[in-house]
Amino acid sequence: DAGVTQSPTHLIKTRGQQVTLRCSPKSGHDTVSWYQQALGQGPQFIFQYYEEEERQRGNFPDRFSGHQFPNYSSELNVNALLLGDSALYLCASSTELAAGELFFGEGSRLTVL
Amino acid sequence: AQSVAQPEDQVNVAEGNPLTVKCTYSVSGNPYLFWYVQYPNRGLQFLLKYITGDNLVKGSYGFEAEFNKSQTSFHLKKPSALVSDSALYFCAVSPTLAGGNTGKLIFGQGTTLQVKP
Repeated sequence: DAGVTQSPTHLIKTRGQQVTLRCSPKSGHDTVSWYQQALGQGPQFIFQYYEEEERQRGNFPDRFSGHQFPNYSSELNVNALLLGDSALYLCASSTELAAGELFFGEGSRLTVL
Repeated sequence: AQSVAQPEDQVNVAEGNPLTVKCTYSVSGNPYLFWYVQYPNRGLQFLLKYITGDNLVKGSYGFEAEFNKSQTSFHLKKPSALVSDSALYFCAVSPTLAGGNTGKLIFGQGTTLQVKP
């Protein structure tokens, strides 16, 4: 049983560009959350998707947007990239009733030059 | 503001000795509490959680955590450390609202555990 898979694993962009990160949740999971983990920091909640709707959102600007597809996979889009967007982006999946017990992917490391 | 504090950047213990990784939180209500572990170049792995009931919860790999409501703490413990326990440990809380648990996690900064042979 595959766990949470994310792509790409690494990518380099320049300021002002746009990026799309992808996530496939663990089999049987219907809820996907995205977190940003800056170097030396704990992960910070970006948003959560359930039934193709954004259910919760953290303190991130509108440049950060997402989508969940009918097969529960998800995308994270970041527009107008800033140097400060450089981080590890983690996708986590769960069932709606899992009460915070998340399964994380290995992340997509974004470097903005 | 809701927050989680892990006061130690690094904890060093000798193999076979007990270990404690500290966590305190500032979240209103009765949040759910978690510990996650992150190995190098890997995603986070769930260790254990506290929702309600017994203040001592047991989790994976022999870890346990003690909830103390009056001190708003949730310290991670293990009676006998292994070299393979060396990793980055995160404490997290999930706020609850009237409708139930939010499912959103607020993480601490992380504590590096170094277990030496």
